[in-house]
Amino acid sequence: AQTVTQSQPEMSVQEAETVTLSCTYDTSESDYYLFWYKQPPSRQMILVIRQEAYKQQNATENRFSVNFQKAAKSFSLKISDSQLGDAAMYFCAYRDTGTASKLTFGTGTRLQVTL
Amino acid sequence: DVKVTQSSRYLVKRTGEKVFLECVQDMDHENMFWYRQDPGLGLRLIYFSYDVKMKEKGDIPEGYSVSREKKERFSLILESASTNQTSMYLCASSWGPLAKNIQYFGAGTRLSVL
Repeated sequence: AQTVTQSQPEMSVQEAETVTLSCTYDTSESDYYLFWYKQPPSRQMILVIRQEAYKQQNATENRFSVNFQKAAKSFSLKISDSQLGDAAMYFCAYRDTGTASKLTFGTGTRLQVTL
Repeated sequence: DVKVTQSSRYLVKRTGEKVFLECVQDMDHENMFWYRQDPGLGLRLIYFSYDVKMKEKGDIPEGYSVSREKKERFSLILESASTNQTSMYLCASSWGPLAKNIQYFGAGTRLSVL
């Protein structure tokens, strides 16, 4: 079974600085998808960024980018120019390519943004 | 914008009660999901459905059942609520069979079983 590990329960970053959230996963599949979801204090989870395993290029979305290391099974999220609105729980998630495959989540990292 | 609506934000029930959590999505999504979120455990899949009247067990289905009579609505049922089912419940939906498709989440229902 696939597992997703987020080893940082909490992180803190100063406004305008850069922070990296770690995620590792375990799978025997060669093709799959990885996601970072954000859950602000209002609790509605939203997608931050998505990476397809067969693409070597790291995904980016504005201030958010990933460092995808397929051989190491690592998928970290970098947030540049951090803003107060980035404070949230961040979940890393994995999904293989089967049509009925489920999304497997990590345990989450709570990010605090300080002035 | 996709909207996934969960009928209650907070719910308090007694042990042994039958509890219904309702979820409605407005984007004609085929797939719907129920997760349970607990601190330190992340999100765990309870049940999912990829079509009307279809359901599949997730990782923790024990003590739960689901119903999907209409495409837009997916209900989670606790037949006899127990205190260990006190948790945050999240509903999600997604379009089509593709694994890359995004899941859209509701705001969650915080259930307390006393």
